Amino acid sequence: QVQLQQSGAELAKPGSSVKISCKASGYTFTSYYISWIKQTTGQGLEYIGYINTGSGGTNYNEKFKGKATLTVDKSSSTAFMQLSSLTPDDSAVYYCARSRILDYWGQGVMVTVSS
Amino acid sequence: DVVMTQTPVSLSVSLGGQTSISCRSSQSLVHSDGNTYLYWYLQKPGQSPQLLIYKVSNRFSGVPDRFSGSGSGTDFTLKISRVEPEDLGVYYCYQGTHYPNTFGAGTKLELK
Repeated sequence: QVQLQQSGAELAKPGSSVKISCKASGYTFTSYYISWIKQTTGQGLEYIGYINTGSGGTNYNEKFKGKATLTVDKSSSTAFMQLSSLTPDDSAVYYCARSRILDYWGQGVMVTVSS
Repeated sequence: DVVMTQTPVSLSVSLGGQTSISCRSSQSLVHSDGNTYLYWYLQKPGQSPQLLIYKVSNRFSGVPDRFSGSGSGTDFTLKISRVEPEDLGVYYCYQGTHYPNTFGAGTKLELK
């Protein structure tokens, strides 16, 4: 069965970076893009961007350019998202999901930015 | 960005009853390839969103036929019949026609 297993919760200081992972199983990893989504109480669900897991090509929502960096390790069927120059506004639950259809989701990673 | 407007914000429904949720987009969601990339998701309490309906009216694998989607252009509807306790949560519409993809703000379905 298709599964996306994300890394654990992060507590980070303002100005720092975090890198969260999304390990896929149950399907051919390179056949589907991985999308990333941010969820907050205030802004709801926001689409960050996606990565082509075969080529490594990326497409970011303009809002998240410079904030999120998407990468992939095909050898381990894992996608990564690095969030840089963190501010309290980056505190959220971050999900990975398969393809742009978002047919399967990871369990989410809570990132808390606080001094 | 395309704005997805969901109404109502919340709904109260009796078990076994029927209800519907509306989603309107600020632009037509008909893609140049002829498809309409409008989806519906349910986020149950404490869980990740799960896909219910894809491309307006197609039920995803394992989704009961109590859920149905309809609509075209900019106006879309999700209908839920014979509501069961497992249907409670927040419903989101989502468009994949225009980049960046965007979500509605959600409709919370509660028991009456």
